[in-house]
Amino acid sequence: GQNIDQPTEMTATEGAIVQINCTYQTSGFNGLFWYQQHAGEAPTFLSYNVLDGLEEKGRFSSFLSRSKGYSYLLLKELQMKDSASYLCAVRDSNYQLIWGAGTKLIIKP
Amino acid sequence: DSGVTQTPKHLITATGQRVTLRCSPRSGDLSVYWYQQSLDQGLQFLIQYYNGEERAKGNILERFSAQQFPDLHSELNLSSLELGDSALYFCASSVEGVNEQFFGPGTRLTVL
Repeated sequence: GQNIDQPTEMTATEGAIVQINCTYQTSGFNGLFWYQQHAGEAPTFLSYNVLDGLEEKGRFSSFLSRSKGYSYLLLKELQMKDSASYLCAVRDSNYQLIWGAGTKLIIKP
Repeated sequence: DSGVTQTPKHLITATGQRVTLRCSPRSGDLSVYWYQQSLDQGLQFLIQYYNGEERAKGNILERFSAQQFPDLHSELNLSSLELGDSALYFCASSVEGVNEQFFGPGTRLTVL
């Protein structure tokens, strides 16, 4: 079967750095996505990786290792507004998105 | 604002009833996706349409059905509703060949 694993919940301090990991086992791989979702709101796109390595976008970076079936989302200079759920999703060989359950990130002052 | 619209925003109904959720994709987007998100759960992919045709099916119950119309708007029909169907239902749209899906604000369905 297809499986995506993320930690259920993480806590970090305002101004610090946090890394959210995602491991996956899917039938085929055609890219990995990270989305942010505030409670009760729609998910919004953060990043996309299809090749190994690090993609940087402002305070957010995403890393991919296809051989290890592993990705992480790195958030720097944390702000209170970063409190949200972070969803990892993998596009499989049928070009369908398989979603992880999400990691709830709590930022403390 | 993603450009994807969904109506209604909230829906409260009783078990055994039938409801229809509506989605209008972003202008120019041919693909529409439907997702279910139960409380504190991840997104569950239900179904995808592309230019009026069903393209992929996920964990969609037989009591649920969907269609995409010639003007590209889509409707998700939920029938014989059960308490467990209470959830947020999201619609998303995308352009073929582009990676990002744009999500609508969702319809919160409560079955009493």
